Amino acid sequence: EAQVTQNPRYLITVTGKKLTVTCSQNMNHEYMSWYRQDPGLGLRQIYYSMNVEVTDKGDVPEGYKVSRKEKRNFPLILESPSPNQTSLYFCASSPRLAGISKTQYFGPGTRLLVL
Amino acid sequence: ELKVEQNPLFLSMQEGKNYTIYCNYSTTSDRLYWYRQDPGKSLESLFVLLSNGAVKQEGRLMASLDTKARLSTLHITAAVHDLSATYFCAVESYSGAAGNKLTFGGGTRVLVKP
Repeated sequence: EAQVTQNPRYLITVTGKKLTVTCSQNMNHEYMSWYRQDPGLGLRQIYYSMNVEVTDKGDVPEGYKVSRKEKRNFPLILESPSPNQTSLYFCASSPRLAGISKTQYFGPGTRLLVL
Repeated sequence: ELKVEQNPLFLSMQEGKNYTIYCNYSTTSDRLYWYRQDPGKSLESLFVLLSNGAVKQEGRLMASLDTKARLSTLHITAAVHDLSATYFCAVESYSGAAGNKLTFGGGTRVLVKP
């Protein structure tokens, strides 16, 4: 089954404790992206990647890191989480998001609470 | 900086009537996406609009794009309860080697009442 998986789905942590949210897709998609969703603000793009070792900042990259060492995986790293990073996070992938664009597939979401 | 605005933010619909959601954006783009999100769920792609004048339809939903006006509309025909959800538009903008950015509107929460 074609899917985007995220882990963990729910996470409660404390300020400053490094964490990683994993994202994996099994569709051989080039484009992967992370978004955060906050009430009243819609979704905002954090980072995106067109291919292995090629990443770029979205609109809200501060406090986040990503890596794309393999095509299928795109982990989101919070080196020192703060309460303002409490949010619902979505990973997504698509065949590409440039030129001839296709449908983007979203993961189930990770709800993060930083105390 | 690209800004994407949706209106209305909330739309209470009566079953059987027609409604329109508007998506305005601030800079040139000819690629626009519509998504649906059910409460507590992830997002589902509805439409991809790739050029000026593009129109896509599926069931009771029809989306169109006017790149000159920087406006997309999502039209709902004869609303039914199953269409209750939050609808997002998103605009693609060229960014560089890492691919293109995607900027979302704030969403329109739709509630269809009998």
